[in-house]
Amino acid sequence: AQKITQTQPGMFVQEKEAVTLDCTYDTSDPSYGLFWYKQPSSGEMIFLIYQGSYDQQNATEGRYSLNFQKARKSANLVISASQLGDSAMYFCAMREGYRGSTLGRLYFGRGTQLTVWP
Amino acid sequence: EAGVAQSPRYKIIEKRQSVAFWCNPISGHATLYWYQQILGQGPKLLIQFQNNGVVDDSQLPKDRFSAERLKGVDSTLKIQPAKLEDSAVYLCASSFRGAADTQYFGPGTRLTVL
Repeated sequence: AQKITQTQPGMFVQEKEAVTLDCTYDTSDPSYGLFWYKQPSSGEMIFLIYQGSYDQQNATEGRYSLNFQKARKSANLVISASQLGDSAMYFCAMREGYRGSTLGRLYFGRGTQLTVWP
Repeated sequence: EAGVAQSPRYKIIEKRQSVAFWCNPISGHATLYWYQQILGQGPKLLIQFQNNGVVDDSQLPKDRFSAERLKGVDSTLKIQPAKLEDSAVYLCASSFRGAADTQYFGPGTRLTVL
């Protein structure tokens, strides 16, 4: 089974509008961390936001927020006030057993290509 | 603060040739990762180092891939001999201490095997 599922191959949003990128995950480990990365055409993976499985509040970083619904195993990324520079591939990723574990393996989804139009 | 550096950025080789990629992590970062990203997919971990020791190489095709991290800083990933299916972007990432810390990625090396 896929550990990370991103069902939207592509999304389009108009500048200044908000957009939600979907991510569901699958794990039986009670301790895990969820990440979102942005990959522009240049290729570098840019860290955006992190949510721990025990965190009570949804994570926020500037225009990025993570809508964490633990019971549904979803971790959707919300980008508010989209900008043209937000056009890129977005990846959801998970790390299992992060508390006390030495294994840092990230499991990535297949990504969502976001296009922001003026 | 300088980010993760990788070289070369692009490499084209013929199958059965060998190739090596270099990574310099963020200064002070103890943990280093190599990921393989095939076109249209998310990255997949090949190997994780903690300082100069291997923590996880369970997904590394050891018959052709090797990696080292001498002195716990720079790292080299080698493929010998390369196959067509090795065409991918090879991403290096580092984190400050260990598995619990956020991974920061370099720009990657795009390998094309003809």
